[in-house]
Amino acid sequence: DAKTTQPPSMDCAEGRAANLPCNHSTISGNEYVYWYRQIHSQGPQYIIHGLKNNETNEMASLIITEDRKSSTLILPHATLRDTAVYYCIVRVTGNQFYFGTGTSLTVIP
Amino acid sequence: KAGVTQTPRYLIKTRGQQVTLSCSPISGHRSVSWYQQTPGQGLQFLFEYFSETQRNKGNFPGRFSGRQFSNSRSEMNVSTLELGDSALYLCASSSGVSTYEQYFGPGTRLTVT
Repeated sequence: DAKTTQPPSMDCAEGRAANLPCNHSTISGNEYVYWYRQIHSQGPQYIIHGLKNNETNEMASLIITEDRKSSTLILPHATLRDTAVYYCIVRVTGNQFYFGTGTSLTVIP
Repeated sequence: KAGVTQTPRYLIKTRGQQVTLSCSPISGHRSVSWYQQTPGQGLQFLFEYFSETQRNKGNFPGRFSGRQFSNSRSEMNVSTLELGDSALYLCASSSGVSTYEQYFGPGTRLTVT
């Protein structure tokens, strides 16, 4: 099963870019990388996903290395409301997601 | 579009009882997945239903079961409750046919005493 490794916690100053890394060295060629975040006691929220190319949406950018063994989620201008646990996920099969332990991001005023 | 709804939001049960949780997916979504979240184990996949059929199953005992109705609404049942079943139960819906982007509900907080 493809698994992910993320740092347990990170801090980021408000207004600065938050760069959250993820290793997924065993990812298969056709597996997407997904990012979700979970604000305390709420359901996880979809952020972005990608296969090979870099992706950007209104929330974030996703940079995937050429060998696809790692990726970085970028929140361009972090706000206090971005404080959450961020999960880098690869799909095991179908809709079976492996969430891992995630990175707890704290945005500091 | 209305989001994923889960009922009830909070539930307190006693050991040995059974419980049924309900999930209504986003309109048009045919896939519903269930997850258990505990402080010790994190988010763990229970099972997924697609068009009324269980498509994937995680590593949970048979006390955990589910079903999906023709309108895509799903229920999850836990029988013979144990203290360790206390958790936040999350359901997620998706179209189930493309890149499997999932949208989560707010969860049901189950406490077993």
